[in-house]
Amino acid sequence: DAGITQSPRHKVTETGTPVTLRCHQTENHRYMYWYRQDPGHGLRLIHYSYGVKDTDKGEVSDGYSVSRSKTEDFLLTLESATSSQTSVYFCAISGPGMMDGYTFGSGTRLTVV
Amino acid sequence: GENVEQHPSTLSVQEGDSAVIKCTYSDSASNYFPWYKQELGKRPQLIIDIRSNVGEKKDQRIAVTLNKTAKHFSLHITETQPEDSAVYFCAVGGSNYQLIWGAGTKLIIKP
Repeated sequence: DAGITQSPRHKVTETGTPVTLRCHQTENHRYMYWYRQDPGHGLRLIHYSYGVKDTDKGEVSDGYSVSRSKTEDFLLTLESATSSQTSVYFCAISGPGMMDGYTFGSGTRLTVV
Repeated sequence: GENVEQHPSTLSVQEGDSAVIKCTYSDSASNYFPWYKQELGKRPQLIIDIRSNVGEKKDQRIAVTLNKTAKHFSLHITETQPEDSAVYFCAVGGSNYQLIWGAGTKLIIKP
């Protein structure tokens, strides 16, 4: 669906554990993004990537890291999950330009207990 | 940096009437203005976008207008239908090559 998939779709984890979310695209787009969505806050950018091994921080990057070793995969890691990171996480891709055809994945609902 | 304000936060209209959602932005260098629709439990999806060299764009029942002087743009939905019920997000793209998002408008279509 739109060439972008996220896994897992749902996850429950315990406070203090590391968690990795995966975004996979088949569009060969250069740009990939991780957002979180919380009630009253809209969409907030966590990290983004503009190529393999090229990443940068967004507005809410504390507690998160990312990696992009292949064009098609962008991983988001919560190094030590906290309850404040309970959220819905969306991956997005764009291309050929950075603001062209932004497409979102289906989202991952993460609950930290 | 860029700041995007979206109003109203909730809009309730009678089926068949028109709905208008407005966003204002602060950076005069911004040049890309998309609108996204997010149905409950689904992903945001692009419904229409406009670039700064165009004042208005239409696609069937939806249109976006841009006033660069006043730094605001609006989404217009005519002849609203139940399936238009959703949360609508505006975004602004510009000099830093990132999209800055509005907080969203919940549109309710009353039968």
